Amino acid sequence: GENVEQHPSTLSVQEGDSAVIKCTYSDSASNYFPWYKQELGKRPQLIIDIRSNVGEKKDQRIAVTLNKTAKHFSLHITETQPEDSAVYFCAARDYGGSQGNLIFGKGTKLSVKP
Amino acid sequence: ETGVTQTPRHLVMGMTNKKSLKCEQHLGHNAMYWYKQSAKKPLELMFVYSLEERVENNSVPSRFSPECPNSSHLFLHLHTLQPEDSALYLCASSQDREGTQYFGPGTRLLVL
Repeated sequence: GENVEQHPSTLSVQEGDSAVIKCTYSDSASNYFPWYKQELGKRPQLIIDIRSNVGEKKDQRIAVTLNKTAKHFSLHITETQPEDSAVYFCAARDYGGSQGNLIFGKGTKLSVKP
Repeated sequence: ETGVTQTPRHLVMGMTNKKSLKCEQHLGHNAMYWYKQSAKKPLELMFVYSLEERVENNSVPSRFSPECPNSSHLFLHLHTLQPEDSALYLCASSQDREGTQYFGPGTRLLVL
């Protein structure tokens, strides 16, 4: 089945700097990779996703890149703001053993210092 | 924020109690999920329902019993839980098994 590794587990940046979070996956059949943001005490919310037929997707200050050959994908946040502080989870859809379920990384706690 | 709702938001129960968690989605979705979120661990999928049929049970102990009476409602019945079952239980729904998953706010469960 799918295995998703996420790094780093914690990330602290200064307001205005960029933040990058990386995930690797094991199942070459995976074709869908969402990113969720979870603020303290709130529900995980989808912020961006990418499918395997594209290498990059942008939405304002957020971008995701996918390298299918290396089986890794990354979240890029530019011009970070204090409200970007949250835990970010990556996920990959597993077609190997769990019929298309999402397998999540352990999360990255991002702190943006004003 | 009101697409997927969960009640109660917080629950404290003893190991001998029986309680139920409720999830309701107002999005017209056909798939619903229960996840367990513990500190420093990935989100763990517990159960998946598609068109009201259970399609996945990820080796979850029998003290957790799901129920999906219709496509809008999902329950998680709890009995004789252990302290290690304390966690945030999240419900999610999606249009189908391939669709984007939308999460509820979760139920914070503490087992004493």
